Amino acid sequence: QKEVEQDPGPLSVPEGAIVSLNCTYSNSAFQYFMWYRQYSRKGPELLMYTYSSGNKEDGRFTAQVDKSSKYISLFIRDSQPSDSATYLCAMRKTSYDKVIFGPGTSLSVIP
Amino acid sequence: DAGVTQSPTHLIKTRGQQVTLRCSPKSGHDTVSWYQQALGQGPQFIFQYYEEEERQRGNFPDRFSGHQFPNYSSELNVNALLLGDSALYLCASSLYRVNEQFFGPGTRLTVL
Repeated sequence: QKEVEQDPGPLSVPEGAIVSLNCTYSNSAFQYFMWYRQYSRKGPELLMYTYSSGNKEDGRFTAQVDKSSKYISLFIRDSQPSDSATYLCAMRKTSYDKVIFGPGTSLSVIP
Repeated sequence: DAGVTQSPTHLIKTRGQQVTLRCSPKSGHDTVSWYQQALGQGPQFIFQYYEEEERQRGNFPDRFSGHQFPNYSSELNVNALLLGDSALYLCASSLYRVNEQFFGPGTRLTVL
């Protein structure tokens, strides 16, 4: 079993839809949970991170962490064509430990 | 303020050769981490450098080595290249013990 699992998609939604992206993990020691966006042929860009459990909101993006279920989510409201990218979840045990990435979910937002 | 820069952008090598990739961290950052991203996969951690020392290492063979210079820039060296080393190599910089990492655009290595 991989440490971090993520549905690779591809996921295709109409513009304006609410998008839900999810990851599951196996290591209960993870404390930091991140979401990165990666456009084609570019490096990943940090969207947001959450420490431990709970929700965090930033504009159209909301991250949720449920440590009891070992499950994290990213919600994108009012999705835009510019949101079309690969979304990578990532996590680590401490703020300086190695980062473990999921395989990424490819998202297309259709105008 | 320049972000993380990497060079070269693309590189083509043949099996058995050696390659050196370079990374300059974001201004003010002192820690550099290297990742390998195969096509369709998430980045895999190779190693992290801080204060010119390798602090952590992922599950990569000794053919992968690195260096950090006093100005915090870093190099990744790969010896005896294999076809399976073809990937996007990403450098990320941060302040030590601070969670936020900023990635460079990567170097795309093709091994023929």
